[in-house]
Amino acid sequence: QKEVEQDPGPLSVPEGAIVSLNCTYSNSAFQYFMWYRQYSRKGPELLMYTYSSGNKEDGRFTAQVDKSSKYISLFIRDSQPSDSATYLCAMKRGGSYIPTFGRGTSLIVHP
Amino acid sequence: DSGVTQTPKHLITATGQRVTLRCSPRSGDLSVYWYQQSLDQGLQFLIQYYNGEERAKGNILERFSAQQFPDLHSELNLSSLELGDSALYFCASSGGQQETQYFGPGTRLLVL
Repeated sequence: QKEVEQDPGPLSVPEGAIVSLNCTYSNSAFQYFMWYRQYSRKGPELLMYTYSSGNKEDGRFTAQVDKSSKYISLFIRDSQPSDSATYLCAMKRGGSYIPTFGRGTSLIVHP
Repeated sequence: DSGVTQTPKHLITATGQRVTLRCSPRSGDLSVYWYQQSLDQGLQFLIQYYNGEERAKGNILERFSAQQFPDLHSELNLSSLELGDSALYFCASSGGQQETQYFGPGTRLLVL
């Protein structure tokens, strides 16, 4: 079993939909949780960075961490075609520089 | 724009050759990380340098090596290239341990 599991998709939704992207993990030592967006042939771009459990909101994006279930989510409200990209979750232990990445979920938002 | 720069953007070479990829971190960041991304393997951590010293090693092949210079830029050297080394190579940088990584635009390597 991989340390971080992420459904590769693709996930196809209509414009304006609420999108839910998820990752599960097995290492209870993970304390820092990140979501990156990667457009085709570009570098990953940091979207959200959270510590421990709880919610964090930034514009149309909400990151949610449930450490008891070892489950993290990224919600995108009012999705736009420009949100079409691959979304990578990442997480790391306290005291570690190196995150563990999920394989990424491909999201397609069609007009 | 993350502030991390990488050159070249594209590289086409032949099997058996050696190439050097270059990375400049964000201003003030002491840590540089190298990753390889391929379709079947996802984003794989290769190596980290912190202020000129190797700090952590991941799945880096013996044919690959890296270094970080006094001005904090880093180079990843890939030698005896094989077809399977064709991938996107990303550099990322960060400040302290609690800070996250910012990625460069990547170098696309094609080995023919």
